Amino acid sequence: VQLVESGGGLVQPGGSLGLSCAASGFTLSSYWMHWVRQAPGKGLVWVSRMNSDGSDIKYADTVKGRLTISRDNAKNTLYLQMSGLRAEDTAVYYCGRYSFGAIDVWGRGTMVTVSS
Amino acid sequence: DIVMTQSPLSLPVTPGEPASISCKSSQTLLQSDGHNYLAWYLQKPGQSPQFLIYLGSNRASGVPDRFSGSGSGTDFTLKISRVEAEDVGVYYCMQGLQIPITFGQGTRLEI
Repeated sequence: VQLVESGGGLVQPGGSLGLSCAASGFTLSSYWMHWVRQAPGKGLVWVSRMNSDGSDIKYADTVKGRLTISRDNAKNTLYLQMSGLRAEDTAVYYCGRYSFGAIDVWGRGTMVTVSS
Repeated sequence: DIVMTQSPLSLPVTPGEPASISCKSSQTLLQSDGHNYLAWYLQKPGQSPQFLIYLGSNRASGVPDRFSGSGSGTDFTLKISRVEAEDVGVYYCMQGLQIPITFGQGTRLEI
């Protein structure tokens, strides 16, 4: 059971970036999936959630309207499309599987840096 | 939003000695199913969070039995019976009851 994020990098303020989270060892569409981020030297902050059938999506107020969570069942991959990026979006982004009231599987994370 | 408050924020420990971290939530985490939706994680430097405890008191697979979680409602505790050098890092509690999921500020355990 594994999650592997990719797609991070350096982007200018106002720019866009797409993150991927490839799952192996389990079927993404059977679980609620989350994105959590961590700014350098700071704590963990929840970003977004998609339920198992994709019908219920939630976002943190700080990213609503700028970040979009989605999923490709055929590729067993979760995505986070980010636009209108700000300096305060700079963070390591983790995807995570939700089970028994907790995020039980975490990826290694991918770093997003928003800077000119 | 449910606010999670951890204490202490820094915890110096001696190997072999016990350690305890408190986590308080601003609302009850006890669901109608009888479970407390409280989890604990350890984040070592440069790594992603490691899953330790779920539903307040259940150890995740592979977690040593020196780690234990207790509490109910709004007050929870993570205990390490005998600290080992590999236990250093930042410990977080997390409520998984409602969106937004929220985390405590983190407790840095240092030898």
